[in-house]
Amino acid sequence: GAGVSQSPSNKVTEKGKDVELRCDPISGHTALYWYRQSLGQGLEFLIYFQGNSAPDKSGLPSDRFSAERTGGSVSTLTIQRTQQEDSAVYLCASSLASDYGYTFGSGTRLTVV
Amino acid sequence: DQQVKQNSPSLSVQEGRISILNCDYTNSMFDYFLWYKKYPAEGPTFLISISSIKDKNEDGRFTVFLNKSAKHLSLHIVPSQPGDSAVYFCAASEVKDYKLSFGAGTTVTVRA
Repeated sequence: GAGVSQSPSNKVTEKGKDVELRCDPISGHTALYWYRQSLGQGLEFLIYFQGNSAPDKSGLPSDRFSAERTGGSVSTLTIQRTQQEDSAVYLCASSLASDYGYTFGSGTRLTVV
Repeated sequence: DQQVKQNSPSLSVQEGRISILNCDYTNSMFDYFLWYKKYPAEGPTFLISISSIKDKNEDGRFTVFLNKSAKHLSLHIVPSQPGDSAVYFCAASEVKDYKLSFGAGTTVTVRA
């Protein structure tokens, strides 16, 4: 596609359930990032992929969070045993190494009730 | 520990006037600075960037100024237009095309 696609756009889940968020980056973009934005906060880095490898997972807030990328393309962010503090907009972005700035998707708004 | 700070959560400006958005950072290792623009229900869109070897970069109505000694950058929009009403995020990184540290954003409202 022309842009970064994220699904679902909105997700409401019960506390304790697992959720999966999907990101389809721009075709050919080797770098992929996950960020999240909590209410009133800036974007918080979660994880960075170069190809299928994740050289930097330093932003994942706990071991309940994991992410994978397959085929150098689609990425899935999984949150296990969701908590209310996980409620945020989760944004995916991709880029080419030669680019300045990422291209972001529209995000997934996650609400844990 | 927030390394990039935007101390003004909002800014209101009249159409045709200049909008000045400010950003301060604490990490002296930052070498690349970017501004993003975000409309509601959309992802942030890259607007303009500057590397630490420059002190000014201009792109149409948008100019970014960098003062490394003060660890301060600003974005000037002139003239401001109604379509500029959005949230503007300042971001910085130590390495080009790597993870960014973002400020909390400034909501700009351009009044007709």
